[in-house]
Amino acid sequence: AQSVAQPEDQVKVAEGNPLTVKCTYSVSGNPYLFWYVQYPNRGLQFLLKYITGDNLVKGSYGFEAEFNKSQTSFHLKKPSALVSDSALYFCAVRSNNFNKFYFGSGTKLNVKP
Amino acid sequence: GAGVSQTPSNKVTEKGKYVELRCDPISGHTALYWYRQSLGQGPEFLIYFQGTGAADDSGLPNDRFFAVRPEGSVSTLKIQRTERGDSAVYLCASSLTPYEQYFGPGTRLTVT
Repeated sequence: AQSVAQPEDQVKVAEGNPLTVKCTYSVSGNPYLFWYVQYPNRGLQFLLKYITGDNLVKGSYGFEAEFNKSQTSFHLKKPSALVSDSALYFCAVRSNNFNKFYFGSGTKLNVKP
Repeated sequence: GAGVSQTPSNKVTEKGKYVELRCDPISGHTALYWYRQSLGQGPEFLIYFQGTGAADDSGLPNDRFFAVRPEGSVSTLKIQRTERGDSAVYLCASSLTPYEQYFGPGTRLTVT
């Protein structure tokens, strides 16, 4: 069975500091991993994905994520946080039959000026 | 281009009533998904369409929930005899490839 876990309900960082939002996964077979961001009253927006290849994946808005197979993790990172990055972030894994995504419970990122 | 649209954006209904939620996917996207997002939770899969057929409806919670996509484009999620526990944001997504989904803004359903 596929699942993802986001251990932190909330992450707080100061603007300009690096940020990390954690995600661990459990899959049978090859993992297809994703990060989405959700702003208030808006749908989820795709940030980045890992399918295969380089473990460091670069995505939208300066975000990147590191795939670590031994630790079954796919943490989201950004070198320098912006206040506008404040939002709800979801990690997701795709099922092996490609029919569905399994989402984590979300992490609220709060970037303070 | 136009993204995924969902109507209505908000729906308030009384317990026991019937509701329909509409999703207009991105033009040309063959795959369409419905998810339900409860407060403080991540989206939960409901049903997946490939073309006109429901390829996977394993996420529908019970037989009060039903979805159609008769022409392979617009989809309607139908909920009969609504219950207060059905209150949530219902999200629709569409895709052309297995590796991305484009989400609509959602319909917030409140059952009183």
